[in-house]
Amino acid sequence: GQQVMQIPQYQHVQEGEDFTTYCNSSTTLSNIQWYKQRPGGHPVFLIQLVKSGEVKKQKRLTFQFGEAKKNSSLHITATQTTDVGTYFCAGHNTNAGKSTFGDGTTLTVKP
Amino acid sequence: NAGVTQTPKFRVLKTGQSMTLLCAQDMNHEYMYWYRQDPGMGLRLIHYSVGEGTTAKGEVPDGYNVSRLKKQNFLLGLESAAPSQTSVYFCASRRGRNTEAFFGQGTRLTVV
Repeated sequence: GQQVMQIPQYQHVQEGEDFTTYCNSSTTLSNIQWYKQRPGGHPVFLIQLVKSGEVKKQKRLTFQFGEAKKNSSLHITATQTTDVGTYFCAGHNTNAGKSTFGDGTTLTVKP
Repeated sequence: NAGVTQTPKFRVLKTGQSMTLLCAQDMNHEYMYWYRQDPGMGLRLIHYSVGEGTTAKGEVPDGYNVSRLKKQNFLLGLESAAPSQTSVYFCASRRGRNTEAFFGQGTRLTVV
């Protein structure tokens, strides 16, 4: 079945440093979604990427979808303490009614 | 709109007991999901439904059953709870196949 790998599992940064998490799928995806889960909270949708090579930005967050639609990345510029949490990618295959989530990258930010 | 509501929020069960987790959504979404989240293992899909009256198995369905008798509700049942089912359970719903998922607040279940 479809597998989605996400690295790194944990990332500790000093406030102001950049952060990147990577997501790789074993199969070609129809789209990929990113979610953020604050400690003790539930996953919240951030963005969806659909097109090959697509790049989207949300303030300090930059999301990319690979040309082959098998990988994606989330980059945060100049992290802030409000960025702490676990970031999940979710790969979606149109033929199935479900997504496969990566194991997430947990970001901690030291003030 | 309440979005996705899970009940209960916390529960402690003894091994062998049964219980039902309720997920309710008021967004008229077709697709509903049950996940479990364990430390370091992300979200694993237990069962899902693509519409009222339908259910399908996910990655880790053993020990669980589900029902979707009404479009707005998705029930997750544990017939005979085991300590390995100690986890945080999340329900989610989507309007369509390629749309964003909305998650409930989660149910923290401990089986002793």
